[in-house]
Amino acid sequence: DAGITQSPRHKVTETGTPVTLRCHQTENHRYMYWYRQDPGHGLRLIHYSYGVKDTDKGEVSDGYSVSRSKTEDFLLTLESATSSQTSVYFCAIRKISGHRNTGELFFGEGSRLTVL
Amino acid sequence: QKEVEQDPGPLSVPEGAIVSLNCTYSNSAFQYFMWYRQYSRKGPELLMYTYSSGNKEDGRFTAQVDKSSKYISLFIRDSQPSDSATYLCATFETSYDKVIFGPGTSLSVIP
Repeated sequence: DAGITQSPRHKVTETGTPVTLRCHQTENHRYMYWYRQDPGHGLRLIHYSYGVKDTDKGEVSDGYSVSRSKTEDFLLTLESATSSQTSVYFCAIRKISGHRNTGELFFGEGSRLTVL
Repeated sequence: QKEVEQDPGPLSVPEGAIVSLNCTYSNSAFQYFMWYRQYSRKGPELLMYTYSSGNKEDGRFTAQVDKSSKYISLFIRDSQPSDSATYLCATFETSYDKVIFGPGTSLSVIP
């Protein structure tokens, strides 16, 4: 258990509304990631963070923003939700131990978002 | 061209069969190669990782990397119904901060 909690786990919303998904970790890891998972596309990186207030875009960042004001929380915001953003969203942390930096990710349970 | 490509399946095998799952990647700079297993409605979990070329074995699972052909494989021996899941290959290079995933292969092991 990597101590990752995502909330909400399920959400149904309407087109045009803002949505914020929260990822909370208990182990003080520096790197955190938001992915979306869709059939036929696998996991695609939306945004990631390499420290408090340090974030960068992934391959599918349009329509999404993120914030990291504390080490333990990484928020993903859909400014104005669209039906194309219906997906399962996964938060992940990357554990780095000493000189070991292998890219191993540990995932949360996912947040299932439906935009009507 | 996607950075990591993977046979999407679905793949259905009888219990006890040997399963071979495969990926190719495009960037020769990738150094670490991982296999994740994802059960339905769960988050992916790391199954195995390898560094550079070669084989790595863990119980019934063997991960194989051929950097010359940019080919990654996962073999499952004596497959069990509990192995039914989606398997995702992934690559990582230390100058990136990003892990790149393949689309996943859905595997069903039939009792």
